[in-house]
Parts: sequence; C-alpha cells; structure tokens
Amino acid sequence: EDQVTQSPEALRLQEGESSSLNCSYTVSGLRGLFWYRQDPGKGPEFLFTLYSAGEEKEKERLKATLTKKESFLHITAPKPEDSATYLCAVTQETSGSRLTFGEGTQLTVNP
Amino acid sequence: NAGVTQTPKFRILKIGQSMTLQCAQDMNHNYMYWYRQDPGMGLKLIYYSVGAGITDKGEVPNGYNVSRSTTEYFPLRLELAAPSQTSVYFCASEAYRTEAFFGQGTRLTVV
Repeated sequence: EDQVTQSPEALRLQEGESSSLNCSYTVSGLRGLFWYRQDPGKGPEFLFTLYSAGEEKEKERLKATLTKKESFLHITAPKPEDSATYLCAVTQETSGSRLTFGEGTQLTVNP
Repeated sequence: NAGVTQTPKFRILKIGQSMTLQCAQDMNHNYMYWYRQDPGMGLKLIYYSVGAGITDKGEVPNGYNVSRSTTEYFPLRLELAAPSQTSVYFCASEAYRTEAFFGQGTRLTVV
C-alpha cells in the first residue's frame, strides 16, 4: 500500500528564517511526486511535479528536491504570505493519475 | 476560463437526507476526481473518472455514488447522509498525466 508521510506537522518560522519540509514515501513504481499549497478554505494549488531521483525544481522562494525515498521542499527567506499548508502527493505507475496524499505541513511565517 | 467550479460551497444535512455535490470544469479534461479532506488529514480519493461514461471507486467510496455523462460534469451523490460524511469535498480535473486542478471545495456538515 502506498504511504506518504510528511514532517513536521506544523512549523513556525520568523520572516527570513529558511527551513525545509520533508515528505517520505513508500510506493511501488513511483510515477510522480507532487507538491501542492493549500490556503485556509481553498482547494490545493499545484506547485511542482518531480519524476526522478536527483530532480530539482524552483519557484520564487521554494525549491523541491527528490530522492528515491523522500522529497524536500526548501523555503528560502520566507515571507508571511508563504504561510499555508503544504501537501505532498504521489502517483504510481500502475494507478494512473490517482494521487495519494500525505497529511500536510502547516507553515506559519511570522513578520 | 473558470477552471473547476464546485457548488454549493457550504451545506448542512440531516442524518438520512440525500444530496448531490456539483462539479464542473471548462478545461476539456478527461480525468476527474472526488476527494474528501477531514480536519488535519490529507485528501482521500472517493471516486474518479477517466472519461465520459467511465467511473471507478477510489479509496473511500462507501456511501457515495457518481456519474459522468459529459466531459464537463462529474456530480457526487450522497445517499442517506451519516455524521461520518461530515468533511470538505474537493473535485479535481486533469489532462492526461499532468497536474490536477482543484475546485474551492464544498464544506458539508451532517447533523
């Protein structure tokens, strides 16, 4: 059974204090690993897809990396507007595009 | 281009009542999904569809039903509502093997 575990559950940072969120996964035949951002009362918003170990993608202050067992979402010099819940999800080669989600990391960035 | 539109945004149901959650997308995506999100939890797949006339069960299908007569619409039916169905429901769509786009969600309370 596919499993996705995110840590920490919650993270509180000061503005400008860089950190990383972790997503460890167990899946047979990873097709892709996805990062989404979710604001309160909203639906998840797509950030990145990673397909193979060693791959990295960047967007503004966010950088996602992938190994064979886990992914990291690095946040550099965060701002209060980066506060959100960050969700990690995987798809399996044999299950098409169906996403298996982790429970998310709730990030709060204080000014 | 509205993306994925869900209605209603909020609903309170009494135990045993039925309702249909509506989902429409204007991106001509073949793949559509219904997820539920309980507090502090990741999203869990209820049902999905790979095209008009084709639907299949996800991880937590009990108590729900779906139909897909057109590409645009993918309604979710709740029969005999139970308190365990209190949740936030998200509809999503995607083109083949790309990222999923989510609606804003329907917050359902069963009392």
